[in-house]
Amino acid sequence: DGGITQSPKYLFRKEGQNVTLSCEQNLNHDAMYWYRQDPGQGLRLIYYSQIVNDFQKGDIAEGYSVSREKKESFPLTVTSAQKNPTAFYLCASTTSGEYGYTFGSGTRLTVV
Amino acid sequence: AQKITQTQPGMFVQEKEAVTLDCTYDTSDPSYGLFWYKQPSSGEMIFLIYQGSYDQQNATEGRYSLNFQKARKSANLVISASQLGDSAMYFCAMRESGGSEKLVFGKGTKLTVNP
Repeated sequence: DGGITQSPKYLFRKEGQNVTLSCEQNLNHDAMYWYRQDPGQGLRLIYYSQIVNDFQKGDIAEGYSVSREKKESFPLTVTSAQKNPTAFYLCASTTSGEYGYTFGSGTRLTVV
Repeated sequence: AQKITQTQPGMFVQEKEAVTLDCTYDTSDPSYGLFWYKQPSSGEMIFLIYQGSYDQQNATEGRYSLNFQKARKSANLVISASQLGDSAMYFCAMRESGGSEKLVFGKGTKLTVNP
């Protein structure tokens, strides 16, 4: 079945460490997105990519980095520069001509 | 910049009754798309309904309907015959124009269905 796989589901990080969240899709979608969700805040866009080897900053890109070396993969690295990384992270994808978006099941990151 | 406003942080409804969740949006683009998503406590985002800005009819999907009032820039979600399983967070979102296909989300409404 086609879909988006995010891993891990839960992630714990010590302060000062970088961590990478995985997002893989087998939908042949061109565009992929990373959102952050905090309680009462809704979803905010971190980074997005519309094509391999290209990506753009979203509204809250500081302290995060991404890569898009393959169409299927869009990993997000939460760096030590991110002041408050504890949140729920969602990956999504879509493609031109479709109005729908597919979301992954999310990764809950906790800094300990 | 495009913006979505959901003014109801929480809503309560009795089982089997209808409920309306409010959403207003702001955009200067004549072409846009509006979405509603449901997010249960598990965290997954479940697509409910879509309305295109040029659609003449209000969208409907089973028990969900979208009350689209273009002049007022509102896109309220109506859930008929509420069920206990409808208890969740509900998000209104708009697809941003300009080719990025970005979704801009409101802050959400937490719906609780009481037996």
